Amino acid sequence: DQQVKQNSPSLSVQEGRISILNCDYTNSMFDYFLWYKKYPAEGPTFLISISSIKDKNEDGRFTVFLNKSAKHLSLHIVPSQPGDSAVYFCAARRSQGGSEKLVFGKGTKLTVNP
Amino acid sequence: EAGVAQSPRYKIIEKRQSVAFWCNPISGHATLYWYQQILGQGPKLLIQFQNNGVVDDSQLPKDRFSAERLKGVDSTLKIQPAKLEDSAVYLCASSVLSSRADTQYFGPGTRLTVL
Repeated sequence: DQQVKQNSPSLSVQEGRISILNCDYTNSMFDYFLWYKKYPAEGPTFLISISSIKDKNEDGRFTVFLNKSAKHLSLHIVPSQPGDSAVYFCAARRSQGGSEKLVFGKGTKLTVNP
Repeated sequence: EAGVAQSPRYKIIEKRQSVAFWCNPISGHATLYWYQQILGQGPKLLIQFQNNGVVDDSQLPKDRFSAERLKGVDSTLKIQPAKLEDSAVYLCASSVLSSRADTQYFGPGTRLTVL
């Protein structure tokens, strides 16, 4: 079963505009949510996170919103830049058996056009 | 600070052959993870080590996959024998503490193709 879903495989936006990437989850036991960014031939790199007790976290051009009742989170990038073109993975953390496990979505490929 | 190192970067083998991947985590990182990322999917955790002990291997196909972390530093992941469905990128990650999920640092991965 897919506990973390990113329903948009790709997204294309113009430079300077807002990029909104969405993520839905099904497991209410997740306590922490993260976004990772991945360039081709590189490993994912951490971008921004949010605790389940908050509804917003902002870091420069990146803001993550969490709607716990809807089990939905989104990543906003404002303004979008061509260097933001990458695959973005949503991940959720679940504590189980004394360890914390990350569950990843399938990713959304963002293309920012100059 | 040097990042997580992995080798080889690419590997092509035939089904039923054996293969091994190597990972050198960031110095001082106690926790090491191996993930499998199949094309079009997100990374899936295979095994997690805390120092040289296994914390979670619930998703590791133990009939063909094995992993070890000698002396709590480097780690190797082995597949024996390989199947077509094992074609994927194998990612190694490390962190200082397992309780901080945002501090997982990933290596570049090893792309395995099984023919």
